[in-house]
Formats: sequence, structure tokens, C-alpha cells
Amino acid sequence: GAVVSQHPSRVICKSGTSVKIECRSLDFQATTMFWYRQFPKQSLMLMATSNEGSKATYEQGVEKDKFLINHASLTLSTLTVTSAHPEDSSFYICSAREINNEQFFGPGTRLTVL
Amino acid sequence: GEDVEQSLFLSVREGDSSVINCTYTDSSSTYLYWYKQEPGAGLQLLTYIFSNMDMKQDQRLTVLLNKKDKHLSLRIADTQTGDSAIYFCAEGSGSARQLTFGSGTQLTVLP
Repeated sequence: GAVVSQHPSRVICKSGTSVKIECRSLDFQATTMFWYRQFPKQSLMLMATSNEGSKATYEQGVEKDKFLINHASLTLSTLTVTSAHPEDSSFYICSAREINNEQFFGPGTRLTVL
Repeated sequence: GEDVEQSLFLSVREGDSSVINCTYTDSSSTYLYWYKQEPGAGLQLLTYIFSNMDMKQDQRLTVLLNKKDKHLSLRIADTQTGDSAIYFCAEGSGSARQLTFGSGTQLTVLP
């Protein structure tokens, strides 16, 4: 089956630093990748949609300068949380899909900003 | 915008059937999904149904779709303790098939 990995699985950083999270599709080419944020005991909120080689489309209320998304290849997308603050602490989940196929989700990255 | 709603909690006894319900508002939804999330983990796709279907069965899982009422359900037969998790329904539409998730139902299976 389709496998999506995320790295790191957990990260703790100091306020003001930047954190990069990687999302990789291991056995398929992901034409589209999605980034979600999940607060404790809440649903997933879509942050942005990215297509390989083009700029990401951000959902309303998501700051594109705060959450930088790069989808440079068909197997890798990165989310960089710039100048992180404690309110950015959350569970970040990516998903990836081939064209005309379903989304497959990564295992998530737990970000804690001190 | 689209809205997907689920009840927050469900408890069942091991061996019984579980039925998790979901309602959605987007009549243009083309696919409806059920995902399972275990603590601290990502989402696992359990099953999905195309909007022109009424029912789909896959081993212990049965999905029922009432398109008129925009109601989706997931039945888990012979529920086991390993089925304890949060179950999300989601609707997908559009060419990118972006997903809108419900709030999730916490299923607890009692011995």
C-alpha cells in the first residue's frame, strides 16, 4: 500500500526558532500534498494544498509567511514553521495523493514550542 | 462552507456491533471517507464510498450512505478492543478532492 512518512515525529524548540517538517511519499509520486493541523481532541484543519512545482494554496486564516511550504519534487514536501511561538504547538499531519487517487496520511509530527 | 458533524463519543461492549454516524452538508461531495486514528498517530483510511452508492461492505465494515438526508454511517461488526480509536468521517469534492473532516468519534470498546 501507499506509504507516507514524516520527519521528525516529535520536535521541541525554543520560541523564535524555525522548524522544518518533511513529508515523503515512499512508493508513489505525489502530485498533490496537503498539510493539516490538529489540536488535542479536535479534528484536522486543512492548512494548505501544494502541487509539485507550484506555489501552495493556503486556507483562509493561515499565514503563508509563517508556514512556508515547499513541494520541490514528486516525493517530498516540507513545512517550515518560522519564528515559532507556543501557540504554534500542535500536531501537524501531511497527506499525499497521486493523480486520481486517494490521500494517504503521514504519521504526524508533534511540535512543542517552549 | 462545508460542514461535517459526528457525535463525539461511543462506547460498546466487545463482540457487539458499533455504529458511528455522520452528517454532511455539501451536496456536491463525490467521495465520503472513514478514517481511524489511534493515539499519537496519523490517519488510516478504513474505507470510502462513492456518492452514487448506497452501501459498501468490506469484511467487518459496512458503510451506508443516505444521499437524500446527507447521512453516512460506519458499522463495525464484532467490535474488538483493538478497534478503540477515534473515527473521522470526511467528505471530498473538487478536482483536488480536498477533504473536510468531522470532529471525530471516540470509540471505546469495553471488555
